[in-house]
Amino acid sequence: GQQVMQIPQYQHVQEGEDFTTYCNSSTTLSNIQWYKQRPGGHPVFLIQLVKSGEVKKQKRLTFQFGEAKKNSSLHITATQTTDVGTYFCAEGAQKLVFGQGTRLTINP
Amino acid sequence: ETGVTQTPRHLVMGMTNKKSLKCEQHLGHNAMYWYKQSAKKPLELMFVYSLEERVENNSVPSRFSPECPNSSHLFLHLHTLQPEDSALYLCASSQKGDYGYTFGSGTRLTVV
Repeated sequence: GQQVMQIPQYQHVQEGEDFTTYCNSSTTLSNIQWYKQRPGGHPVFLIQLVKSGEVKKQKRLTFQFGEAKKNSSLHITATQTTDVGTYFCAEGAQKLVFGQGTRLTINP
Repeated sequence: ETGVTQTPRHLVMGMTNKKSLKCEQHLGHNAMYWYKQSAKKPLELMFVYSLEERVENNSVPSRFSPECPNSSHLFLHLHTLQPEDSALYLCASSQKGDYGYTFGSGTRLTVV
């Protein structure tokens, strides 16, 4: 089945630094979704990208979908302690397949 | 409160026990899912129910038995589990044709 590989597995930053996580696939993706899971919590839907080259922003978060629809990225500008958690990409609709996630920790 | 309620939040069971996990969604969605999340693996899709019919069984052992009596309720019946089945079990729902899953808070299961 469709697989999405996510890197890095872990990222530790100083508060105020930027953060980026990448999601890659060897095949064309129909769409990409991003979720955030706080420590001890459950995944929460952030956004969906569908179009080639699509870029969407949510305040300090910028989501991109590659031109070939084989990769995606989530970039956080000037991280805050509230950004701590694991960020997952996922692909599919009725059968959502998740990447391994990137765990973000922040030094205040 | 996410609109998807899972009970119990925590469960400890012996390998010979039978227990059930319950999920209820209040969002009017028509698809529901069970996922398993363990420390060493990413979120694993277990079962998909669409319009109350099971459309996906992702090679899950028969000691896990799902039940979807209506579009708002989903159960996961557990029997003779193994310690490696200890994990966070997450229920999710979505509207078929729409995107973005809503997850419940999960049941933290420990098999002893």
